Amino acid sequence: DAKTTQPNSMESNEEEPVHLPCNHSTISGTDYIHWYRQLPSQGPEYVIHGLTSNVNNRMASLAIAEDRKSSTLILHRATLRDAAVYYCILRPSEFSGGYNKLIFGAGTRLAVHP
Amino acid sequence: DAGVTQSPTHLIKTRGQQVTLRCSPKSGHDTVSWYQQALGQGPQFIFQYYEEEERQRGNFPDRFSGHQFPNYSSELNVNALLLGDSALYLCASSMGQGGQPQHFGDGTRLSIL
Repeated sequence: DAKTTQPNSMESNEEEPVHLPCNHSTISGTDYIHWYRQLPSQGPEYVIHGLTSNVNNRMASLAIAEDRKSSTLILHRATLRDAAVYYCILRPSEFSGGYNKLIFGAGTRLAVHP
Repeated sequence: DAGVTQSPTHLIKTRGQQVTLRCSPKSGHDTVSWYQQALGQGPQFIFQYYEEEERQRGNFPDRFSGHQFPNYSSELNVNALLLGDSALYLCASSMGQGGQPQHFGDGTRLSIL
């Protein structure tokens, strides 16, 4: 299973943008990049995913490097509710083996200050 | 629209006992996965059920078993409990086998004394 590397923790101020980095130098051509987050006392929550192109949804944006060896999750205006552990996960395509399971690392703990 | 529901929310057992945890998937979902999350760590994949069969399994011993019912709900059974089995057990549901995003419940906190 391809591995991801994330900083252990990051801090942000409320209403400022947050850029959460993820390195995945061993990514294969068919791996999707998924992001989940886990708020305190809750189960993980899907945030966004992409393959090659940058992606936007109502929660966040995902910027993927041209060589796909790294990606960045962007929260455009952090709120206190965004304080959580953010997990970057590589997920094989449905045409590869093992695509149904999510392999979580330790993630990045994001603190948001008022 | 109810999301993934798990029961019980908390459970205390002693070493050597057996435990059953339950999960009801989100409406419209037919695939259920189970994860174990130790304190301070990310969730670890246990196994996944689809069409009432175990489709994929993580690196967990045979003491961990499961079942999926015709209504897609699922149970996780753990036999001969060890202190190291103390963790948050998470259930996630998704639609089909095409790698759709998984929706998680808030878990069952299992404590082994």
